[in-house]
Amino acid sequence: DAGVIQSPRHEVTEMGQEVTLRCKPISGHNSLFWYRQTMMRGLELLIYFNNNVPIDDSGMPEDRFSAKMPNASFSTLKIQPSEPRDSAVYFCASSLRLAGGSSYNEQFFGPGTRLTVL
Amino acid sequence: GENVEQHPSTLSVQEGDSAVIKCTYSDSASNYFPWYKQELGKGPQLIIDIRSNVGEKKDQRIAVTLNKTAKHFSLHITETQPEDSAVYFCAASRGGGSGGYNKLIFGAGTRLAVHP
Repeated sequence: DAGVIQSPRHEVTEMGQEVTLRCKPISGHNSLFWYRQTMMRGLELLIYFNNNVPIDDSGMPEDRFSAKMPNASFSTLKIQPSEPRDSAVYFCASSLRLAGGSSYNEQFFGPGTRLTVL
Repeated sequence: GENVEQHPSTLSVQEGDSAVIKCTYSDSASNYFPWYKQELGKGPQLIIDIRSNVGEKKDQRIAVTLNKTAKHFSLHITETQPEDSAVYFCAASRGGGSGGYNKLIFGAGTRLAVHP
């Protein structure tokens, strides 16, 4: 089983440039999460998708951040324009949420993308 | 909103000793408490979880205890080994009932070092 796949693993860019991070969730999972990890703020949830629909984007820092999930096997997180304070490790996670009930299902994390904005 | 505090931030033990990491949470409606292990350069990985209807759960060398009255839960690792060295995160969630979802609020993490 391939697990959650993220690309690129490392990204170095200059302030003002557009950055796109990509995620392929585990096949069959219907929930997808984007997290940001920094030393100062720890692990923060940015956005949650269920069945490709954004359900909770309250963690998205500002309008410079946007996320899409065009189909069940692909999601992107875009930052435009990027700023040095966006430097962090960005994780994508997926899980299976069963219909009609509560969900305690494990979130499987990808290896992350380390973003450095100069 | 929910807040999860985790202590200690760093923990150093000798191989074979036990390690204990403690977390407290603020939202009394939280009912799901997973623990994640993050190794260098990797994403967090679930190692054990506990739901509010039990007070303790054990899986080989790791165990988690939950005190809902005091709103705290702990991770216990016995007979530590060098490969246990990693950052450990606790988290709390309402578990996604009543149309919600499993939104995890993470603690700040504990860096565990096990010395041979």
